[in-house]
Amino acid sequence: NAGVTQTPKFRVLKTGQSMTLLCAQDMNHEYMYWYRQDPGMGLRLIHYSVGEGTTAKGEVPDGYNVSRLKKQNFLLGLESAAPSQTSVYFCASRTGPRQAFFGQGTRLTVV
Amino acid sequence: KNQVEQSPQSLIILEGKNCTLQCNYTVSPFSNLRWYKQDTGRGPVSLTIMTFSENTKSNGRYTATLDADTKQSSLHITASQLSDSASYICVVTSNSGGYQKVTFGIGTKLQVIP
Repeated sequence: NAGVTQTPKFRVLKTGQSMTLLCAQDMNHEYMYWYRQDPGMGLRLIHYSVGEGTTAKGEVPDGYNVSRLKKQNFLLGLESAAPSQTSVYFCASRTGPRQAFFGQGTRLTVV
Repeated sequence: KNQVEQSPQSLIILEGKNCTLQCNYTVSPFSNLRWYKQDTGRGPVSLTIMTFSENTKSNGRYTATLDADTKQSSLHITASQLSDSASYICVVTSNSGGYQKVTFGIGTKLQVIP
């Protein structure tokens, strides 16, 4: 039982490049989330999913897309990276209204 | 404006001492409040979760209290250890008409020194 696994852990992109962050969970959780964490700010929700095949926008969705083709995976895509997307990205999953489990984070730098 | 305010922003204490972290919120309607511990370079890990009817919840040396009337919560750490050095994040969930909103505080950065 690995919990929530994010790949990659670090990435440097040039402005305009695209990439996909992968989040995988092996706890059979229905709900999955993508957050970004920036200095001086609380975690902010980008997109979330309440089940396989579903996605919804969070607080700061612009510039990101997501997909949940399989229950265990939640992908976050950046089509054209911008320096403002430099951040640490966290994926989380949960079942029911209780505890959420977070991944280790992906540190993304856009230059 | 962040509706979850934490204080202090940072704190340094000696190993073995106790400390209390504060969380004030204006999020409404209230559903639950959680405290997370986030080690540097890691994801947040849940410490406690409290609903409206719960005043206190303990997890080892961590004790969280909740006053839903004044919309305040505290996290008390007893007999601190070096491994307690981390950021502690208060998270408040509101639930209105089936729509759930989760608001994260910025966190309190705690450093425990020998």
